Amino acid sequence: NAGVMQNPRHLVRRRGQEARLRCSPMKGHSHVYWYRQLPEEGLKFMVYLQKENIIDESGMPKERFSAEFPKEGPSILRIQQVVRGDSAAYFCASSPSSVRGTEAFFGQGTRLTVV
Amino acid sequence: AQTVTQSQPEMSVQEAETVTLSCTYDTSESDYYLFWYKQPPSRQMILVIRQEAYKQQNATENRFSVNFQKAAKSFSLKISDSQLGDAAMYFCALSLTFGEGTQLTVNP
Repeated sequence: NAGVMQNPRHLVRRRGQEARLRCSPMKGHSHVYWYRQLPEEGLKFMVYLQKENIIDESGMPKERFSAEFPKEGPSILRIQQVVRGDSAAYFCASSPSSVRGTEAFFGQGTRLTVV
Repeated sequence: AQTVTQSQPEMSVQEAETVTLSCTYDTSESDYYLFWYKQPPSRQMILVIRQEAYKQQNATENRFSVNFQKAAKSFSLKISDSQLGDAAMYFCALSLTFGEGTQLTVNP
């Protein structure tokens, strides 16, 4: 059973471009969570999705950021018109049910660098 | 809103010694789960231990154990017989909310 797969591992974008980060949850997991980790900081919750639904997006910036988890395919975190401050590691985690009661398994992250 | 506070940005321990990492939290819920995750230089997030709030018994996993004080909303991690491989950033988490982390150094 493959773990949570994130790609790409590293992504470089120029200011103003779009960044698309992909996350394939573990087999059988229908809950996906996205986190952002700035250098030397902790993980900040961004969004919680269940298949085709956004459950909690309280940590997502109101502009330029969006997330989806379609019925088929990976979850996508999309950042439009990237700025230098978006440079960070973005982690995806998945769980078979609400993380409230179960462990969330993390991917290895995507390191986004905006130049 | 839930909050998680780790008051020790950095800690160090001698190999084979014991170290305790602190974590306090705040939540209005009565039933919840707490986690400690380890993030080594590879940046992979690894679950170390999990505690269910309704269980009074402290969780243990080999050399890792917790001191869970529900009334005080405290959830500290004790690492016994520290090994060089324990060196990492440790995050305390309450459901989806993470603390800022404690960087643990293990000295040979």
